Amino acid sequence: DAGVIQSPRHEVTEMGQEVTLRCKPISGHNSLFWYRQTMMRGLELLIYFNNNVPIDDSGMPEDRFSAKMPNASFSTLKIQPSEPRDSAVYFCASSPGTGTFSGNTIYFGEGSWLTVV
Amino acid sequence: GENVEQHPSTLSVQEGDSAVIKCTYSDSASNYFPWYKQELGKRPQLIIDIRSNVGEKKDQRIAVTLNKTAKHFSLHITETQPEDSAVYFCALLTGGFKTIFGAGTRLFVKA
Repeated sequence: DAGVIQSPRHEVTEMGQEVTLRCKPISGHNSLFWYRQTMMRGLELLIYFNNNVPIDDSGMPEDRFSAKMPNASFSTLKIQPSEPRDSAVYFCASSPGTGTFSGNTIYFGEGSWLTVV
Repeated sequence: GENVEQHPSTLSVQEGDSAVIKCTYSDSASNYFPWYKQELGKRPQLIIDIRSNVGEKKDQRIAVTLNKTAKHFSLHITETQPEDSAVYFCALLTGGFKTIFGAGTRLFVKA
């Protein structure tokens, strides 16, 4: 299995530009998560989906952030317009989401390193 | 809301010594407690986990203990080695499939 695949791995963009981060979860996993990691705030859960449906988006910082999961194998996190304070590592993660013990384990992608200048 | 506090934020030990990291939580409904290790520039990866009906679990040099009454769980690393140097995160599963993380502990193992 290739694991959770994220793109781009690195992005540098100018303030005000739109940023789209992409994620392909592990095949067969029912839950998908977007986390943001910064030195100041640690690992923050932004939003998570179960069976392609957004379940909890209370961590999305503001209206500039949006996330979609049009099908079981693809999700996007969009920032429009981007600001310097959005600079962070954005991790996508997935889990089997079966409710069993092993189904709760989260597997992370390698992250998208975003710098907004 | 759900919350998990992790201590200490930084831990420095001599190679061969033990390291202990502790987390406390507030949601009594939490029933799954994983620990993740994140090396510099890498993704967090699961190293051990425990379910609420178990008090302790061990995997070679790593062990996790859970006190559900007191709402805290701890990671124990024995015979530490330089390659154990990393950031360690505790986490817990809240209602549904939502996993939240502690703030992390930066462990330094001095050779």
